[in-house]
Amino acid sequence: AQSVTQPDIHITVSEGASLELRCNYSYGATPYLFWYVQSPGQGLQLLLKYFSGDTLVQGIKGFEAEFKRSQSSFNLRKPSVHWSDAAEYFCAVGSIQGAQKLVFGQGTRLTINP
Amino acid sequence: DAGITQSPRHKVTETGTPVTLRCHQTENHRYMYWYRQDPGHGLRLIHYSYGVKDTDKGEVSDGYSVSRSKTEDFLLTLESATSSQTSVYFCAIRSVLSGKSTDTQYFGPGTRLTVL
Repeated sequence: AQSVTQPDIHITVSEGASLELRCNYSYGATPYLFWYVQSPGQGLQLLLKYFSGDTLVQGIKGFEAEFKRSQSSFNLRKPSVHWSDAAEYFCAVGSIQGAQKLVFGQGTRLTINP
Repeated sequence: DAGITQSPRHKVTETGTPVTLRCHQTENHRYMYWYRQDPGHGLRLIHYSYGVKDTDKGEVSDGYSVSRSKTEDFLLTLESATSSQTSVYFCAIRSVLSGKSTDTQYFGPGTRLTVL
């Protein structure tokens, strides 16, 4: 069965520090991989996605993620966080073929210290 | 913003009552989805639709039904609400404008449902 694990429920970093959020997935076929961000009381906004090609993908707001097939990982990174990055981040996996039923991780809540 | 609206945005209801949530899209997308969000679980798929009158179950479909009589509307019904269905419900559409590079799900603003 497909699954996504985000090992860190809550991460706190200082403003200006670098960030890496971890995502590991289990999927039988070639996956689509996504990172979404959710601000409090809001819907989900797509940060970036991977479906093929270059394993380092760039997204909005200065985020990037690297797909590592051998490690079944799709970690999200940002070189320098801003206070406005405080939010919850979700990794998701879906099928390239068919209905693209997304399976989400539990989410990582990011707190930014001034 | 993929032209998705959800109604109502907030609802409080009592155990045993029927509840219908509506998702409306303005861009003629074929695929629509209903997810629920609960702390510690991320989002989980309830049902999805791949066309008018074409629907299928997701991971957590028990206690829910859906209908899609028009391309633009996807309804989620709780026939007899229970406290375990207290959650935030998100609708999503799948946008495939020009192949895989644009194949993405976009989410509505959510409906917060409380079942007392």
